Amino acid sequence: DAGVIQSPRHEVTEMGQEVTLRCKPISGHNSLFWYRQTMMRGLELLIYFNNNVPIDDSGMPEDRFSAKMPNASFSTLKIQPSEPRDSAVYFCASSLGVGTRVDEQYFGPGTRLTVT
Amino acid sequence: GDSVTQMEGPVTLSEEAFLTINCTYTATGYPSLFWYVQYPGEGLQLLLKATKADDKGSNKGFEATYRKETTSFHLEKGSVQVSDSAVYFCALSEDQGAQKLVFGQGTRLTINP
Repeated sequence: DAGVIQSPRHEVTEMGQEVTLRCKPISGHNSLFWYRQTMMRGLELLIYFNNNVPIDDSGMPEDRFSAKMPNASFSTLKIQPSEPRDSAVYFCASSLGVGTRVDEQYFGPGTRLTVT
Repeated sequence: GDSVTQMEGPVTLSEEAFLTINCTYTATGYPSLFWYVQYPGEGLQLLLKATKADDKGSNKGFEATYRKETTSFHLEKGSVQVSDSAVYFCALSEDQGAQKLVFGQGTRLTINP
């Protein structure tokens, strides 16, 4: 099992540029989560999907952020335009789905984003 | 809202030392409590959990007891190894069936040989 795959692992971009982070969940998992980790705010849930449908996006910081899950094996988190305060590590996680225990989330290695 | 507070790091210990990482929480209901670990270059992994008051979670020599009276879930290990060097996250969820985890800020642990 390859686990949750995230790309890129590191991204450096200039303020104002569009950034797209990618995630491939574990095959057979029906729920997908995007988290952001910063020194100031720790690890926060941004949005999660079940069966490709966004269920809770209350953690998405503002309209510059958008997330999509066009199919069961792929999701993107897009920031447009990016700002220096978006610099963080972004984690993707997947689980079997609603009704499973909350601890059964499997995390990817994260994407470290730096916006200059 | 719910929140988790961990002791600030980094924490540096010598091999075979006793480890405690403090974690306290605020929640309106009766949450389940978790410790996750992140090894260098990897994603978070569940280390242990407890779902009700006085439960003790344990794994790989680590233990944590759910203390409702002090709203705490401190992580302990009697004798740490170099391989325990990682970042440790305390987390809670209000409902076992819910999908949301609320994390603490993480504590970086370094064990020197």
